[in-house]
Amino acid sequence: AQTVTQSQPEMSVQEAETVTLSCTYDTSESDYYLFWYKQPPSRQMILVIRQEAYKQQNATENRFSVNFQKAAKSFSLKISDSQLGDAAMYFCAYRRKSSGDKLTFGTGTRLAVRP
Amino acid sequence: DAGITQSPRHKVTETGTPVTLRCHQTENHRYMYWYRQDPGHGLRLIHYSYGVKDTDKGEVSDGYSVSRSKTEDFLLTLESATSSQTSVYFCAISEGGLYGYTFGSGTRLTVV
Repeated sequence: AQTVTQSQPEMSVQEAETVTLSCTYDTSESDYYLFWYKQPPSRQMILVIRQEAYKQQNATENRFSVNFQKAAKSFSLKISDSQLGDAAMYFCAYRRKSSGDKLTFGTGTRLAVRP
Repeated sequence: DAGITQSPRHKVTETGTPVTLRCHQTENHRYMYWYRQDPGHGLRLIHYSYGVKDTDKGEVSDGYSVSRSKTEDFLLTLESATSSQTSVYFCAISEGGLYGYTFGSGTRLTVV
């Protein structure tokens, strides 16, 4: 079974600084999808960014970017120019391309943003 | 999200009582899922559905059942609620592939 590991239960960043959240995964598949979700205190799950494994170029969405290292099975999220509204729980998730579209989630990283 | 709604948003129930949570979508997506979220565990899959009357178990399905009689509705039932089922429950829908999931707003269930 696929597993997703987020080894940082909590992180903290100063407003306007950059922070990187780590995620590793275990799979024997060669093609798959990876996602980062944000969960603010409202409890809503919000898709932040996604990556297809066969695409070598790292995905970017405004201040959010990923560092995808396929050989190392690593998928870290970088948040630039951190804002107070970035404070949330962040979940990394994996989906096999060939499966029934089930997402496997990591345990999450809680990000605090200091003013 | 406007295309998916969960009800109720909060519920307190007693041990041993049956509980049904409802997920309703207006997106006509094929795939629907129920997850539970617990501290230190992230989101874990309970059951999922690929279509009407086509459901399967996830990793934490014991004590739960589901039904999908219409494309738009996916019901999660706790046959006899236990305190270990106190959790936040999320429903999600998907078109598949790179689209990821769209989540409902969650149901906080407390079993006393």
